[in-house]
Amino acid sequence: KAGVTQTPRYLIKTRGQQVTLSCSPISGHRSVSWYQQTPGQGLQFLFEYFSETQRNKGNFPGRFSGRQFSNSRSEMNVSTLELGDSALYLCASSLVDRVETQYFGPGTRLLVL
Amino acid sequence: SQKIEQNSEALNIQEGKTATLTCNYTNYSPAYLQWYRQDPGRGPVFLLLIRENEKEKRKERLKVTFDTTLKQSLFHITASQPADSATYLCALPGTDSWGKLQFGAGTQVVVTP
Repeated sequence: KAGVTQTPRYLIKTRGQQVTLSCSPISGHRSVSWYQQTPGQGLQFLFEYFSETQRNKGNFPGRFSGRQFSNSRSEMNVSTLELGDSALYLCASSLVDRVETQYFGPGTRLLVL
Repeated sequence: SQKIEQNSEALNIQEGKTATLTCNYTNYSPAYLQWYRQDPGRGPVFLLLIRENEKEKRKERLKVTFDTTLKQSLFHITASQPADSATYLCALPGTDSWGKLQFGAGTQVVVTP
């Protein structure tokens, strides 16, 4: 079974721009979560989607948003990028009845200049 | 709020020895605790999950203990190998949702031949 895939793998943007990251979960996994990882803050939960609905949200500003499609694929968007948004963005998928076990993708490395 | 602490100093260990990592948490009584492995530039990989009613769990050369009284988990890698070199993260479920994982900062393990 193919793992979680994320595109693009690397991205360079400038302050003020917006970015969209994509995630395809493992086949059969309908729950998708997003995390931000930085050297200073570590891995932090952004949000979780299930059945195209946001089920949980972390403590991030409204500039961070996401959505999930009917095929469980998910996208996250960051608007008005700031230097501090430079991070590794990780997507994880899980089975609906086993959300505690999450399978992570390779991540998208975002650099904001 | 919930706090998760892992030793921030890298653990340098000789091949064949046992590596022991600690995860302490406060202000919470989680239903389970997990350990993940992360290699540089890659997403975390799930290793083990231990539930609150389990004292110990093993998987091949890995062993996890969970002391809910001390609010501590110990993660052991026995007969360590250079390929075990990575950062190991402990994770607890969010206080309001199992799908909202909260991670410790991780401990880097370096196994030398």
